[in-house]
Amino acid sequence: DIQMTQSPSSISVSLGDRFTITCRASQDIGNYLSWYQQKPEKSPKLMIYRATNLEDGVPSRFSGSRSGSDYSLTINSLESEDTGIYFCLQHKQYPWTFGGGTKLELK
Amino acid sequence: EVQLVESGGGLVQPGRSLKLSCAASGFTFSNYYMAWVRQAPTKGLEWVASITNSGGSTYYRDSVKGRFTISRDNAKSTLYLQMDSLRSEDTATYYCTRIKKYYSGLDYWGQGVMVTVSS
Repeated sequence: DIQMTQSPSSISVSLGDRFTITCRASQDIGNYLSWYQQKPEKSPKLMIYRATNLEDGVPSRFSGSRSGSDYSLTINSLESEDTGIYFCLQHKQYPWTFGGGTKLELK
Repeated sequence: EVQLVESGGGLVQPGRSLKLSCAASGFTFSNYYMAWVRQAPTKGLEWVASITNSGGSTYYRDSVKGRFTISRDNAKSTLYLQMDSLRSEDTATYYCTRIKKYYSGLDYWGQGVMVTVSS
């Protein structure tokens, strides 16, 4: 199975800060990676698909990038509504695997 | 508006069965692959199973293979998950999800349905 190692597991960030979450894939997944935001008691929401593409309706302060086997989600100028848990998902090969999640809180 | 509405969850004893349903609306159901994803209480997300748009191919994680069956009725725009021989470790919220075209991610999620396996 492909392992997705996500970091950090949690972080406190100030409003207006720039923040990056990273998932490292244990095998090549091409760009078959997506990012999700989950609010408490809510279903996850797709933010970025195919590693670098912004889902419709997602604010442009979110962006995705790739460097080798490292995939990153960056939030520029953090807003209060961005708090929650973020997950990556590889969907290159079954079984699809999620990263462990990053809990983003306001400082 | 795309909507995925799950039903069928509840409390069930270990070894028993449960069948989840997901009623889809707002899109042409037969054009999309679908998947079930689960989340144990206070835990992360776990992909469970996927099915192609025709239902001709299905995929499962090892821990549910042989116990769970994903299926669909395109005429009813409904996705199913038959869960047999349930175990305590299957306790989770189960989400019905739509697979974005060209395997690009999971672009719509249902509200989730809770399954609790306990004696």
